[in-house]
Amino acid sequence: DIQMTQSPSSLSASVGDRVTITCRASQDIRNFLAWFQQRPGKAPKSLIYAASSLQSGVPSKFSGSASGTDFTLTISSLQPEDFATYYCQQYNSFPWTFGQGTKVEIK
Amino acid sequence: EVQLVESGGGLVQPGGSLRLSCAASGFTFSSYSMNWVRQAPGKGLEWVSYISSSSSTIYYADSVKGRFTISRDNAKDSLYLQMNSLRGEDTAVYYCARADYYQGLEDWGQGTLVTVSS
Repeated sequence: DIQMTQSPSSLSASVGDRVTITCRASQDIRNFLAWFQQRPGKAPKSLIYAASSLQSGVPSKFSGSASGTDFTLTISSLQPEDFATYYCQQYNSFPWTFGQGTKVEIK
Repeated sequence: EVQLVESGGGLVQPGGSLRLSCAASGFTFSSYSMNWVRQAPGKGLEWVSYISSSSSTIYYADSVKGRFTISRDNAKDSLYLQMNSLRGEDTAVYYCARADYYQGLEDWGQGTLVTVSS
């Protein structure tokens, strides 16, 4: 199985900050990498697919990038509604696997 | 608007069975593969099962293989998960999610809670 190692597990940031979350795959996943946002008590929401493509309707403050098996989600200018848990997920091969999540909290 | 509505969750004893349903609307259900993803209380996301648009290809996580069965009825725009031999570690919110080959898990339902306890 492909392991997805996400870091950090949590971070504290202020409104207006730029935030970066990283995810490393244990093997090549050909950029079949997605990022999700999950607010408390809500279903996950897809933000990014194919490592760097924005899902329809997702604001451009979210961006994704890839370098080999390392992936990054960046949120520019953090807003109150962005405080949530973020997950990466590979869908290159089954079983699909998720990172352990990054909780973004208010400083 | 894509809508996925799960139902069928509840409290069940260890060793028991439960059938989850997911009603789809707002898109051509028969054209999309579907998945079940679960989340134990306070934990992360775990992919459970995949079914292709025609039901010809099915995958399961090792943790549920041999106990859970995914199926779909394209005439009814519905996805199912038959869960047998339930264990405490199956306690979770179960989400159905629409998948695209390139875009991955595009849309999710609101989830249904399954609690396995005596």
